[in-house]
Amino acid sequence: NAGVTQTPKFQVLKTGQSMTLQCAQDMNHEYMSWYRQDPGMGLRLIHYSVGAGITDQGEVPNGYNVSRSTTEDFPLRLLSAAPSQTSVYFCASSWNSEGGKLFFGSGTQLSVL
Amino acid sequence: AQKITQTQPGMFVQEKEAVTLDCTYDTSDPSYGLFWYKQPSSGEMIFLIYQGSYDQQNATEGRYSLNFQKARKSANLVISASQLGDSAMYFCAMRPSTDKLIFGTGTRLQVFP
Repeated sequence: NAGVTQTPKFQVLKTGQSMTLQCAQDMNHEYMSWYRQDPGMGLRLIHYSVGAGITDQGEVPNGYNVSRSTTEDFPLRLLSAAPSQTSVYFCASSWNSEGGKLFFGSGTQLSVL
Repeated sequence: AQKITQTQPGMFVQEKEAVTLDCTYDTSDPSYGLFWYKQPSSGEMIFLIYQGSYDQQNATEGRYSLNFQKARKSANLVISASQLGDSAMYFCAMRPSTDKLIFGTGTRLQVFP
């Protein structure tokens, strides 16, 4: 099992560029989510989805867009990159229950110059 | 509002000693899950332990135990017999009902010989 596959591992963007971070899981999880991790801030939820066709905002959604057209895929789009979006991004998935532990991707180190 | 608080930015412990990492939470949901994750310097997120709000017993997983005090809304992680490999960031997280999973800001644990 591949688990949660997140690409790319590293990315450098110029201010104003757009890009998509890819996330795919092969565990048939209903719940998928994107977090960003910044020093001293822990993991902050950007967007999440409880099933195909359903998405919702987390704590820090501005500047990001998501869609969930299939159960497996949950891409994160940066519409117009800003230096404040320099961060480590994690995709994670789980069963949709209070006991559903998150399975994480390996993370993307994004730098916006 | 749902919230997770970790008040210890950093902790030191000597090898073979026990250490407690604090976590308090706030939710109005009667049903929720509490999680601890470890993030070593390599960056991956490793699930450690889970406690359900209706569980009568404190969760244990090897050297990890969760000291769950429901009335005080605390979910402290206890690591017994610390090892050098336990040096890492530790995150407490909460999942109310079938909602999003939110994280605290983390505690950096350093184990010294």
